[in-house]
Amino acid sequence: GAGVSQTPSNKVTEKGKYVELRCDPISGHTALYWYRQSLGQGPEFLIYFQGTGAADDSGLPNDRFFAVRPEGSVSTLKIQRTERGDSAVYLCASSPGGRGGTDTQYFGPGTRLTVL
Amino acid sequence: GQQLNQSPQSMFIQEGEDVSMNCTSSSIFNTWLWYKQDPGEGPVLLIALYKAGELTSNGRLTAQFGITRKDSFLNISASIPSDVGIYFCAGPPSNTGKLIFGQGTTLQVKP
Repeated sequence: GAGVSQTPSNKVTEKGKYVELRCDPISGHTALYWYRQSLGQGPEFLIYFQGTGAADDSGLPNDRFFAVRPEGSVSTLKIQRTERGDSAVYLCASSPGGRGGTDTQYFGPGTRLTVL
Repeated sequence: GQQLNQSPQSMFIQEGEDVSMNCTSSSIFNTWLWYKQDPGEGPVLLIALYKAGELTSNGRLTAQFGITRKDSFLNISASIPSDVGIYFCAGPPSNTGKLIFGQGTTLQVKP
């Protein structure tokens, strides 16, 4: 079956521009997560959706970052006024949902964002 | 905030050797997870541990949940070239879906 997919796989943009990153979770998974991974580091949590609502957005670094999941399936991570420090791999994961910390998260391949 | 510290940072070993890596935390975790990440891919779950003292195996991989609940160990026996990658420990700081990851241990295997 299909795993988590993310588009685009690579995105190069200029400082100050707006970008959208898309995540298609595994069908039927109610929980969806966004992480950011800088070079040489582990993934860093950004936001977690249960259904359509953001259950925990404590990892979003500032108000330039926003994520939506309007129908409880596909999610879009939106970054306004990009900065060079936003360059990283943005990972999306989904899980069946409902088991909190013991729910297995399945990761997509990530979107590599480069801000020039 | 809570942090997970992994050691060693990197390892370069001969094929067939056993490997051991560990992960420590400044605070208690009730679940420990070990993931592997290949280049250009997302992390893949290898082993999940849910109980202090638990020892769990997955093929040539064995992981243990430390008694203090502040550490975990991953062992790989008889390494092969496809074991190359970055190994991350992770855990949920509370009973939510959020995971905290260590900084990773990079494993290279020489045929």
